[in-house]
Amino acid sequence: AQSVTQPDIHITVSEGASLELRCNYSYGATPYLFWYVQSPGQGLQLLLKYFSGDTLVQGIKGFEAEFKRSQSSFNLRKPSVHWSDAAEYFCAVVPLAAGNKLTFGGGTRVLVKP
Amino acid sequence: EPEVTQTPSHQVTQMGQEVILRCVPISNHLYFYWYRQILGQKVEFLVSFYNNEISEKSEIFDDQFSVERPDGSNFTLKIRSTKLEDSAMYFCASRIRGWGQETQYFGPGTRLLVL
Repeated sequence: AQSVTQPDIHITVSEGASLELRCNYSYGATPYLFWYVQSPGQGLQLLLKYFSGDTLVQGIKGFEAEFKRSQSSFNLRKPSVHWSDAAEYFCAVVPLAAGNKLTFGGGTRVLVKP
Repeated sequence: EPEVTQTPSHQVTQMGQEVILRCVPISNHLYFYWYRQILGQKVEFLVSFYNNEISEKSEIFDDQFSVERPDGSNFTLKIRSTKLEDSAMYFCASRIRGWGQETQYFGPGTRLLVL
């Protein structure tokens, strides 16, 4: 079945440490890939997206993500987290030629320790 | 930078009452969406709207839901007879038309509580 999986429900990281959030998808063809962030009480903000081309994409707030076709993954990374990065992060996809709705993963909640 | 806006930010209603959630998409966008997020659960697609008609809807979007673009700027979601399980955060999103323009921009959400 077509799906988006974020294996980690919660991640706790120390301020200044690196962060990697995992995302795997299960679709016949590579879909359009997105990462959104939801800060407490806020809406969904786009961090970055991948449609084609360079498999390492840069986003806002110092985030980057790497698309790996062989692993059906689109993992999000940040070299050094700040306390303000505490939020919930959602991986989402738009499948090719299958409508244009976003299908979201379950989200990963990131806690940042001082 | 243009933003999607939503009103109200919070709404409390009694079960069985009608609610209308309002959204103002980004002005040159042509595709509009509603999603919802029940507390602690995934963000789920409800409906997409283009050219004044529904282009796709999920099985959640049953007869008690409707959408409308009553004028050139607003996009509304109506729930005719609310149920307890409709309590959720409702997000509006919009995107521009065109190849490679699949990015959807979200509003801040309306938190609906049905009592």
